Amino acid sequence: DAGITQSPRHKVTETGTPVTLRCHQTENHRYMYWYRQDPGHGLRLIHYSYGVKDTDKGEVSDGYSVSRSKTEDFLLTLESATSSQTSVYFCAISGTGGRTEAFFGQGTRLTVV
Amino acid sequence: GENVEQHPSTLSVQEGDSAVIKCTYSDSASNYFPWYKQELGKGPQLIIDIRSNVGEKKDQRIAVTLNKTAKHFSLHITETQPEDSAVYFCAASKDNNDMRFGAGTRLTVKP
Repeated sequence: DAGITQSPRHKVTETGTPVTLRCHQTENHRYMYWYRQDPGHGLRLIHYSYGVKDTDKGEVSDGYSVSRSKTEDFLLTLESATSSQTSVYFCAISGTGGRTEAFFGQGTRLTVV
Repeated sequence: GENVEQHPSTLSVQEGDSAVIKCTYSDSASNYFPWYKQELGKGPQLIIDIRSNVGEKKDQRIAVTLNKTAKHFSLHITETQPEDSAVYFCAASKDNNDMRFGAGTRLTVKP
């Protein structure tokens, strides 16, 4: 398995609170991604990073921010959690962006109550 | 942006039968088409991929076909086994970082 660790694996939080999810990789891959997975929608890209301090928005970025201060860590922050952000969040890494295989973490199940 | 549609959403087959999952994409510039398998409680894992300069690719019981003109690609699993039961996702991208996924197909293989 690719060396990707997501933390926490499960979290319950209250509406309006900030939440940070962490993705840590040991593969030294350049590209890192955050997806959310919801029934009927597959995997939707939230944000991605193509290098340290280099990030860009995906198709569902509203209400989320990211940071990448080191190659191995990519943080996803929900600035003020809402119930619509209840989802399973996956981090993925890739050596060459959208041209080759992406390796996914185990996922973080986030519930906003 | 790219839009990927996947059918069917659920598929049930008898062990030993074949399973076919189909995807269509909207952006003719897309040139990389991977398929991922997701088992319960795990992240998706690549099972096969194809590039736009190839029409078909096979890996043991799994094959993928691509029709660029019609903008659709399909996953074929032959001699299905219970361990093939999972959710399968198709995806499309075009040499950038915006890989779009289909909504997924839940495959059940009945013993």
